[in-house]
Amino acid sequence: AQKVTQAQTEISVVEKEDVTLDCVYETRDTTYYLFWYKQPPSGELVFLIRRNSFDEQNEISGRYSWNFQKSTSSFNFTITASQVVDSAVYFCALSEAWNNNDMRFGAGTRLTVKP
Amino acid sequence: DTGVSQDPRHKITKRGQNVTFRCDPISEHNRLYWYRQTLGQGPEFLTYFQNEAQLEKSRLLSDRFSAERPKGSFSTLEIQRTEQGDSAMYLCASRSGVSSYNEQFFGPGTRLTVL
Repeated sequence: AQKVTQAQTEISVVEKEDVTLDCVYETRDTTYYLFWYKQPPSGELVFLIRRNSFDEQNEISGRYSWNFQKSTSSFNFTITASQVVDSAVYFCALSEAWNNNDMRFGAGTRLTVKP
Repeated sequence: DTGVSQDPRHKITKRGQNVTFRCDPISEHNRLYWYRQTLGQGPEFLTYFQNEAQLEKSRLLSDRFSAERPKGSFSTLEIQRTEQGDSAMYLCASRSGVSSYNEQFFGPGTRLTVL
């Protein structure tokens, strides 16, 4: 079965620092989908990005960037010039193509950005 | 607001009581999911509906749990004879079935506290 590991339980940075959140996944499927979600204190999970296993292009969206490396089964998330509003819990998730309704989440990384 | 909505947002109940939660998905989404999230963990899949059909249930969904989506629109999750271990955030998500890898959109959750 698929598994997602987010080894960093909590990270604290000072505003304007760059920060990388790690995500390592396990799957036997050759086709799968990776996701990042943000959960602010309000509790609602906010979708950030989806990456398909056949597309290893890295992506940048404003201050956010994602580094997908199949060779190391990692899908890391970097926030550049962090802001206080980035404080949240971030979840990495994986679903396999054969059962794409079963999305497995990591335990999350709590990011605190201090002013 | 055209996002996923859940009601109530908070529920406090005594052990042994029954509780029911409601989820209204994004209107054009035919797939609906329930998750449970405990403190410090990522969401865990409970069950999934495609239209009104409940197609998958996690082993986490004990006999005391039942979910319905009678008309393929809103869904309810009922917990009978609640136990303290049922205390958690219950999240609902929906997605379009058009593509195989569409991301799920989450509601704000119902936080259940069993005393």
